Amino acid sequence: KAGVTQTPRYLIKTRGQQVTLSCSPISGHRSVSWYQQTPGQGLQFLFEYFSETQRNKGNFPGRFSGRQFSNSRSEMNVSTLELGDSALYLCASSPLAGEGEQFFGPGTRLTVL
Amino acid sequence: GQQVMQIPQYQHVQEGEDFTTYCNSSTTLSNIQWYKQRPGGHPVFLIQLVKSGEVKKQKRLTFQFGEAKKNSSLHITATQTTDVGTYFCGWNDMRFGAGTRLTVKP
Repeated sequence: KAGVTQTPRYLIKTRGQQVTLSCSPISGHRSVSWYQQTPGQGLQFLFEYFSETQRNKGNFPGRFSGRQFSNSRSEMNVSTLELGDSALYLCASSPLAGEGEQFFGPGTRLTVL
Repeated sequence: GQQVMQIPQYQHVQEGEDFTTYCNSSTTLSNIQWYKQRPGGHPVFLIQLVKSGEVKKQKRLTFQFGEAKKNSSLHITATQTTDVGTYFCGWNDMRFGAGTRLTVKP
């Protein structure tokens, strides 16, 4: 089976712009979670989608949003980018909602200038 | 809300020394998972613990889940340079600790 894929792998944006990141889970996995990783901050949970529904949400402002499609692929959108949004954005998939082993993708490295 | 602390934040050891990272929760956890992230890589699942007092071993790695299911530890015996990375604990609903970054001096 192919692993979790994320596109693009690298992205440079300027403040005020918006960005959309994409995640394709492992085939058959219906849960996709998104995380922000910055040095010293660990893995900050953004949200989880399961069967096209947002099941859980972390403590991030409304500028961060996501969605999941019927094929379980997920997108994450960040509007009005700020310098502090520079981070590695990881998505992870799993067969079940809210439990079990998480399979992480390679991440998208976002730099906001 | 649920508070889980992972300590230490950093650990530097000489090759051959042991290493332990801890996750401590203010409330009971239904399960705990451990992940390893190599430098420049993404987190990779190591193990999941579910039962109170559970102990599992993977070669030089020993994982424990406390009797009260409020704390867990990952212990590495005789570290090697291949153990370098950040170790995260994860728990209910995909939350993760801040991670312990391990560096090993050959």
